[in-house]
Amino acid sequence: SQQGEEDPQALSIQEGENATMNCSYKTSINNLQWYRQNSGRGLVHLILIRSNEREKHSGRLRVTLDTSKKSSSLLITASRAADTASYFCATDARSGNNRLAFGKGNQVVVIP
Amino acid sequence: DVKVTQSSRYLVKRTGEKVFLECVQDMDHENMFWYRQDPGLGLRLIYFSYDVKMKEKGDIPEGYSVSREKKERFSLILESASTNQTSMYLCASSLDRGKDFSNQPQHFGDGTRLSIL
Repeated sequence: SQQGEEDPQALSIQEGENATMNCSYKTSINNLQWYRQNSGRGLVHLILIRSNEREKHSGRLRVTLDTSKKSSSLLITASRAADTASYFCATDARSGNNRLAFGKGNQVVVIP
Repeated sequence: DVKVTQSSRYLVKRTGEKVFLECVQDMDHENMFWYRQDPGLGLRLIYFSYDVKMKEKGDIPEGYSVSREKKERFSLILESASTNQTSMYLCASSLDRGKDFSNQPQHFGDGTRLSIL
């Protein structure tokens, strides 16, 4: 199964700054999802963006999808210490495999 | 809100033991999943189930089995635990079976950190 690949792997920013992380994938997709994982906890779903959508917002989160470049970005605006977490993208594949394939994750540290 | 509850946050077992990890969801979701999460490898799908008594292998099913006798409960079984099964195990659920379930959010439990000595 294909896999999203996040970039960069680790990001350290000051509170109030914006954080951007990217995810690339190899084959055509139906949708792409972003998840957050706080240390020692399970994953929390943030946003699902479909292949016919280019941008989606949820609160301070903005996700873009560029299917021509096979990439997506997650922007967190006005970051807070509570945004410190690992962020994962997950994709499906149009091959008929209904599973989600998760990337290895981006660790974001927001310094108060 | 959907709640996915895993029976143990931490578990220590010995090599060769039969280990049961339990997961319960309270929102009548059709689909349930077991993943393991290892540093540098991300999440890998072990098994999933889209209905009671139905199961399908994921990417790394070797050494594991599952049981889904009731809709709300999905158990992961390590038949004979080995040290390479030391990992964080995550259970998840999603709502609908009729659709492509990769198009739906998955709701995760807080994980079981399993150590095999």
